[in-house]
Amino acid sequence: AQSVAQPEDQVNVAEGNPLTVKCTYSVSGNPYLFWYVQYPNRGLQFLLKYITGDNLVKGSYGFEAEFNKSQTSFHLKKPSALVSDSALYFCAVRGISSGSARQLTFGSGTQLTVLP
Amino acid sequence: DAGITQSPRHKVTETGTPVTLRCHQTENHRYMYWYRQDPGHGLRLIHYSYGVKDTDKGEVSDGYSVSRSKTEDFLLTLESATSSQTSVYFCAITYEVSSSGANVLTFGAGSRLTVL
Repeated sequence: AQSVAQPEDQVNVAEGNPLTVKCTYSVSGNPYLFWYVQYPNRGLQFLLKYITGDNLVKGSYGFEAEFNKSQTSFHLKKPSALVSDSALYFCAVRGISSGSARQLTFGSGTQLTVLP
Repeated sequence: DAGITQSPRHKVTETGTPVTLRCHQTENHRYMYWYRQDPGHGLRLIHYSYGVKDTDKGEVSDGYSVSRSKTEDFLLTLESATSSQTSVYFCAITYEVSSSGANVLTFGAGSRLTVL
């Protein structure tokens, strides 16, 4: 069985400071890893994904994530946070051998609040 | 939310009544999904469809049925609603981002269901 852990329900950071939202995963074999963001009263929006290759993945709105195979982590980062980054962030994983998005597993979400 | 419309967006119903949520896409995509979002659980897959009249169960399918008679419409039915089915329901479709097969989901705006 595959799983995703987002150990922090809430992350607060001051505007202009770097931010990190943590994600660890468990999957059989190599993973596909995703980050999605949800703004209030909206559906989830895709931010970035890791398939293979460079461990540092760049995505939308200045976000990036680092894949660490030895630590089974895929932390989301941004060098300088904006108030508009405040939202709910979800990490998701799927095993490469899985045949469809049926096997996509989401974490429980981390609420990011950027303080002005 | 482009290309996906969910209806109704909000519904309050009573225990034991049937409820149908509709997802309509204008993108002609083969794969469609129904998820529910609950605090502390992230998103969990209820059912998905890989074509007209082709559907399969997800992680939390008990108490739910689906139908897909046309490519553009995917219906989720609660035959006899219970309070445990109070949730926010999201429909999603799959866009092919690259040839790798790590497909990205695009979500609708959600349907908030309250069962009293």
